[in-house]
Amino acid sequence: EAGVVQSPRYKIIEKKQPVAFWCNPISGHNTLYWYRQNLGQGPELLIRYENEEAVDDSQLPKDRFSAERLKGVDSTLKIQPAELGDSAVYLCASSPGTSGRAVQETQYFGPGTRLLVL
Amino acid sequence: AQSVSQHNHHVILSEAASLELGCNYSYGGTVNLFWYVQYPGQHLQLLLKYFSGDPLVKGIKGFEAEFIKSKFSFNLRKPSVQWSDTAEYFCAVNEAFGNEKLTFGTGTRLTIIP
Repeated sequence: EAGVVQSPRYKIIEKKQPVAFWCNPISGHNTLYWYRQNLGQGPELLIRYENEEAVDDSQLPKDRFSAERLKGVDSTLKIQPAELGDSAVYLCASSPGTSGRAVQETQYFGPGTRLLVL
Repeated sequence: AQSVSQHNHHVILSEAASLELGCNYSYGGTVNLFWYVQYPGQHLQLLLKYFSGDPLVKGIKGFEAEFIKSKFSFNLRKPSVQWSDTAEYFCAVNEAFGNEKLTFGTGTRLTIIP
């Protein structure tokens, strides 16, 4: 079974440029998460989707970040314009979202996209 | 809001030594607790998790963790580490009756010397 797929793996851009990250979750997983992991820190949730609905985007900086999961499968996270402080690893994770006890489900993480803003 | 503290930032051990990594959380309600591991060059993966019942939880690769409610702790242990245990370890928590949002600690980097 394929795991969570993310692309690109690495991205270097200049500040004020736009950037987009793509995630394809494990097949059949309804819940999708985007996390940001700063150097020396643990992952921090940016947004959570249940199918195509963003059910928790309270941590997403909406002035420059946007995300979509149009068909409830793959998802795109965009930053426009990027700032120096956006340099981080952006992680996508998914979970089944079907057990009825979603808080107990394991989240499966992708390899991440390492972003460097110059 | 929840927070998770992992006070050991970098631990260096010799092979066969015993391991204990600390994890404390701040939340007064019922929680679910997780340990994730990231091996060099690999993605985060679940090591073990606790929801209820026996506070001593066993995970993969010989790891276990003990939930001590009175201490708000969920320390990770392994009686004898191997070189292949070199990795970064993250403790995480979510509210048992809330949403699935995981709050992670800052991680502990474990280096095993052969």
